Amino acid sequence: AQKITQTQPGMFVQEKEAVTLDCTYDTSDQSYGLFWYKQPSSGEMIFLIYQGSYDEQNATEGRYSLNFQKARKSANLVISASQLGDSAMYFCAMREGRDSSYKLIFGSGTRLLVRP
Amino acid sequence: GAGVSQSPSNKVTEKGKDVELRCDPISGHTALYWYRQSLGQGLEFLIYFQGNSAPDKSGLPSDRFSAERTGGSVSTLTIQRTQQEDSAVYLCASSLSAGELFFGEGSRLTVL
Repeated sequence: AQKITQTQPGMFVQEKEAVTLDCTYDTSDQSYGLFWYKQPSSGEMIFLIYQGSYDEQNATEGRYSLNFQKARKSANLVISASQLGDSAMYFCAMREGRDSSYKLIFGSGTRLLVRP
Repeated sequence: GAGVSQSPSNKVTEKGKDVELRCDPISGHTALYWYRQSLGQGLEFLIYFQGNSAPDKSGLPSDRFSAERTGGSVSTLTIQRTQQEDSAVYLCASSLSAGELFFGEGSRLTVL
């Protein structure tokens, strides 16, 4: 079974509007972490935001916020006031704490295109 | 160093040859990861090193793939008898234990 599911292969958003990128996860652990990374066409991986499973507040970093719904096992990324530079691939990832192996598993990604 | 360094940045090889890809993590980072990314695809986990613990090799696709980490620092990913389906970008990342991952720029492997 997929550990991390991103159901939107591609998304469009108008510049200056907000967009939500979906991510659902599957784990039986109580302790885990959720990450979002951005990969522009240059190929570099840029860390955006992190949410711990015990965090009560939704994580926010500037224009990025994470809509964490633990019961639904979803960790959607919200980008507010989209900019042209936000056009990129976005990956959701999860780290479980099982057996001290903290490997990070990535979803298949969502390609976001911001229209001027 | 300032960031994760990978070499070579590009490697073209013939089918059946062995290749070695190198990763120099951020100084002090105890965890090191290798991922593979095929064109337009997500990141496929290969192997994870954490301190002196036994590596998590659960993502290695076949016994042609191996990796080692010497002295808790530099890591080498070796692919023996390369196949065309091994063509991809191989990404290395490091982190402070359970922290965020810092990625290198990747090694693009092309197998002819």
